[in-house]
Amino acid sequence: AQRVTQPEKLLSVFKGAPVELKCNYSYSGSPELFWYVQYSRQRLQLLLRHISRESIKGFTADLNKGETSFHLKKPFAQEEDSAMYYCALSGPGGYQKVTFGTGTKLQVIP
Amino acid sequence: NAGVMQNPRHLVRRRGQEARLRCSPMKGHSHVYWYRQLPEEGLKFMVYLQKENIIDESGMPKERFSAEFPKEGPSILRIQQVVRGDSAAYFCASSPRSGVTEAFFGQGTRLTVV
Repeated sequence: AQRVTQPEKLLSVFKGAPVELKCNYSYSGSPELFWYVQYSRQRLQLLLRHISRESIKGFTADLNKGETSFHLKKPFAQEEDSAMYYCALSGPGGYQKVTFGTGTKLQVIP
Repeated sequence: NAGVMQNPRHLVRRRGQEARLRCSPMKGHSHVYWYRQLPEEGLKFMVYLQKENIIDESGMPKERFSAEFPKEGPSILRIQQVVRGDSAAYFCASSPRSGVTEAFFGQGTRLTVV
């Protein structure tokens, strides 16, 4: 079974501090991993995916198959980064089997 | 393009009543996905539909739940004889083609069963 674990419900950091949102997954095979973000009163939107190896809004995430992790990182937090972040995994059957974690609320303190 | 529209945003039903949740996909999108988020849990896949077809309903409860996406009009998620455990946020996403990673999400419908 595929599973996504986000151990922290809430992460509070000061503005300018580094951010790391943890995500671990369970999947037998080669998954595709994503991070979604939901800003206050806005809808869920895709932030980045591991296959793109891109940096969006200063965020990066590296897939570590050995540790089965896909942590989201940013060197310097900004107030506008405050939001809910969901890690997600896609397995066999492709897109329609995307499994989401429970989410981590990031709170950036001014 | 107004984006994916879900209505109502909030829905209160008494136990035993029916709940109908609507999702209007973005213009030009013919793929719709429904997800449910129970309290303290992540988003869980329910069903994937294309126009007039159910492609994958492996996440749908076997009883009381049904979904459709007619040729004309919005996609409907229908819950019959609601129970307290159905209280959750229901999210819809649409995409122009296969691949939910390219999908756009609605703001969700929060169903409360009293």
